[in-house]
Amino acid sequence: DQQVKQNSPSLSVQEGRISILNCDYTNSMFDYFLWYKKYPAEGPTFLISISSIKDKNEDGRFTVFLNKSAKHLSLHIVPSQPGDSAVYFCAARGSSGGSYIPTFGRGTSLIVHP
Amino acid sequence: NAGVMQNPRHLVRRRGQEARLRCSPMKGHSHVYWYRQLPEEGLKFMVYLQKENIIDESGMPKERFSAEFPKEGPSILRIQQVVRGDSAAYFCASSPTGQDEQYFGPGTRLTVT
Repeated sequence: DQQVKQNSPSLSVQEGRISILNCDYTNSMFDYFLWYKKYPAEGPTFLISISSIKDKNEDGRFTVFLNKSAKHLSLHIVPSQPGDSAVYFCAARGSSGGSYIPTFGRGTSLIVHP
Repeated sequence: NAGVMQNPRHLVRRRGQEARLRCSPMKGHSHVYWYRQLPEEGLKFMVYLQKENIIDESGMPKERFSAEFPKEGPSILRIQQVVRGDSAAYFCASSPTGQDEQYFGPGTRLTVT
């Protein structure tokens, strides 16, 4: 039973346009959400996070939006660059009772075409 | 400040052999996590350790798998009597406390022939 779902295995975008990666979760106890980026043959690197007390967090070209009622979050990359081509993992965790271990989605492979 | 180190990067074992995967956390980090990624899958949590203690091993198979994080030296993930289904990428992550973002190593790709 997948508690964190990334329903799009891949996404193809033109350089300069917006990339939107989506993530859905089912566990109401999750209140902290993270995005990781992974290049081939490397480990995931932390990109951006958002707490459930917010509905938006922005860091440069990356913005994460959280819709708690829909249990949905999305990562926006504007403008997209070829170097953004990677697999993006959504992760979610709780923040009480020691539940700090994130649950990961299966990832979305983003390809940004020059 | 060196990142999380994992070795070996690639490991080939025949069925029935033992695999030992090593992870050195970032300097100052005393919390270590092991994850497994099967092909076309996300990262699956296996075990969470803090120096000399296993905090959470709920994701670890009950048999053949063990993990340790001794007072001195790297964390070790040990897989005894490997089977083909153990072929995967194994990632280690560390954090300074148990509540911060985790920093991942480059992974060890285990192939069982």
